[in-house]
Amino acid sequence: SYVLTQAPSVSVAPGQTARITCGGDNIRSKSVFWYQQKPGQAPVLVVYDESDRPSGMPDRFSGSNSGNTATLTISRVEVGDEADYYCQVWDSSSGHFVVFGGGTKLTVL
Amino acid sequence: QITLKESGPTLVKPTQTLTLTCTFSGFSLSTNAVGVGWIRQPPGKALEWLALIYWDDDKRYSPSLKSRLTITKDTSKNQVVLTMINMDPVDTATYYCAHRGVVARGSFFDYWGQGTLVTVSS
Repeated sequence: SYVLTQAPSVSVAPGQTARITCGGDNIRSKSVFWYQQKPGQAPVLVVYDESDRPSGMPDRFSGSNSGNTATLTISRVEVGDEADYYCQVWDSSSGHFVVFGGGTKLTVL
Repeated sequence: QITLKESGPTLVKPTQTLTLTCTFSGFSLSTNAVGVGWIRQPPGKALEWLALIYWDDDKRYSPSLKSRLTITKDTSKNQVVLTMINMDPVDTATYYCAHRGVVARGSFFDYWGQGTLVTVSS
């Protein structure tokens, strides 16, 4: 099965840039989707198809994908960005179809 | 505006069957390319995809849970039902249904229900 690897935690000061990575074998060949989940809430899509944003999502959120690593970049981090972030790909070749990473807890210091 | 809401029991006993209903609005499951999926999240743990049903009644299941899952749709009621047999305490989780979004290289979930916590305990 296809495995996505995320660091358990990332810390950043307000106003700085946070980079959350998602590792997978040749992930560059896949579209990567990113979700934000705040405590007690359902996940919210923040980036799709690697770098597109849903309507209303601030342009502080951006995505990139190269080689074996996809990255969600959050610029000018705000306290309200503190949340868990999950990456996801579609992997029909393995039969697992929807694959989520283990999640990264973003702490805003 | 797309909304989804999960409903079902909050407590089930081990070995019982869980039946969850997702009631949605703002789209139709009879429209080409539309899909609805189920995802769960044990307390303090990561998201886990369970199943996906398409407008044409095609279905996909997580390989690790396929033998225990059934997903069906009732287009006239705007509902999707997930059934999981032989429940175990490790199945305790918040269960979400979500609307499928699609791009050239895959599917994702662009609208989510609020989730429903299911506890498995005797």
